[in-house]
Amino acid sequence: KAGVTQTPRYLIKTRGQQVTLSCSPISGHRSVSWYQQTPGQGLQFLFEYFSETQRNKGNFPGRFSGRQFSNSRSEMNVSTLELGDSALYLCASSFQQGSTGELFFGEGSRLTVL
Amino acid sequence: AQSVTQPDIHITVSEGASLELRCNYSYGATPYLFWYVQSPGQGLQLLLKYFSGDTLVQGIKGFEAEFKRSQSSFNLRKPSVHWSDAAEYFCAVVGTGTASKLTFGTGTRLQVTL
Repeated sequence: KAGVTQTPRYLIKTRGQQVTLSCSPISGHRSVSWYQQTPGQGLQFLFEYFSETQRNKGNFPGRFSGRQFSNSRSEMNVSTLELGDSALYLCASSFQQGSTGELFFGEGSRLTVL
Repeated sequence: AQSVTQPDIHITVSEGASLELRCNYSYGATPYLFWYVQSPGQGLQLLLKYFSGDTLVQGIKGFEAEFKRSQSSFNLRKPSVHWSDAAEYFCAVVGTGTASKLTFGTGTRLQVTL
């Protein structure tokens, strides 16, 4: 079956703009988690959605938000972009809530903020 | 709060040699432990996981890991490395209970020489 699909794969924005990233989980998976990966901070958990509800949230400012739709697809939004938001944003899906189930990661969306 | 330490940032081994990547975790109770691999430009792929039971866990691609509670370690091993194993390896932990987000180590980059 198809894996986790993230769009767009690459994007360039300028400071102050906002961006929306999309994630389509594996069919049948109801949990979607988002992670930010940077050379300096490594992989950091952003949030997790299950059945359209945010179940867990990491330590990121309110500029980072997300949502999940009834078909389990998820979007994350970053408003008022800063240079430090440049990163690879990874989406992961799993069948059950929480990370005790195996996570399947997409290839990521690489955001560059100029 | 849980944490993961991967003391080796970069390791180089010859093809056919054995490999051991170190991982130490900090968590009050028995954690759930994972090893993921990330090839350049790709997302993360789960190699293996430990939840409970047998402390020696077998994974994909010939990898195994051993959970040692007394040392708070979960080292990844492979008896004979292939050039295609060159990638970045991440150890991760998630606490049981309500805190279900994955906490990743900083990663170990593996280079394989021919």
